[in-house]
Amino acid sequence: ETGVTQSPTHLIKTRGQQVTLRCSSQSGHNTVSWYQQALGQGPQFIFQYYREEENGRGNFPPRFSGLQFPNYSSELNVNALELDDSALYLCASSLAGPESEQYFGPGTRLTVT
Amino acid sequence: AQRVTQPEKLLSVFKGAPVELKCNYSYSGSPELFWYVQYSRQRLQLLLRHISRESIKGFTADLNKGETSFHLKKPFAQEEDSAMYYCALSSGNTGKLIFGQGTTLQVKP
Repeated sequence: ETGVTQSPTHLIKTRGQQVTLRCSSQSGHNTVSWYQQALGQGPQFIFQYYREEENGRGNFPPRFSGLQFPNYSSELNVNALELDDSALYLCASSLAGPESEQYFGPGTRLTVT
Repeated sequence: AQRVTQPEKLLSVFKGAPVELKCNYSYSGSPELFWYVQYSRQRLQLLLRHISRESIKGFTADLNKGETSFHLKKPFAQEEDSAMYYCALSSGNTGKLIFGQGTTLQVKP
């Protein structure tokens, strides 16, 4: 059983650019959730995908978008990057349902300059 | 509003002392509550959830709906318990997690 993986580990972008972050789910999981974790804060829910459809969204603007693929891997895209987008982005995979344990990846550290 | 509050950013205790990490929540329905832990240089992982009522690594947490609390307790802290602890609430049918700000537990020898 392979765990959740994310790529890249870290990257630096300039304000106004676009970025794509990737996540591979744990084997057998059909749900992927993305979180943003600013320094010194707890993770904040961005959105969730279930069977390739968005299944809930947090308080993030439309320039944050995502995709889930048939193999349940996922992408997070952020357009028009702002300095405040600098954070650790976490992906978590799970089975569907509120009681399911979410398995987190190691995160991607994004720095916007 | 749905919210999780962890009032302590840092809790420092000596090895063998009791530990209580506080968590209060605000939620209009029946909450699913979790404690997640992040050890140094490791990823965030589930420690325990209220629905399973189990003890993991000596930690327990009881849901108190009257006080809207889900405090994490351990009678005798160990140095290997030093980590960041997050209380989280599962919200709605999606199971999205609402996290508190986290408490760093430091267990001194």
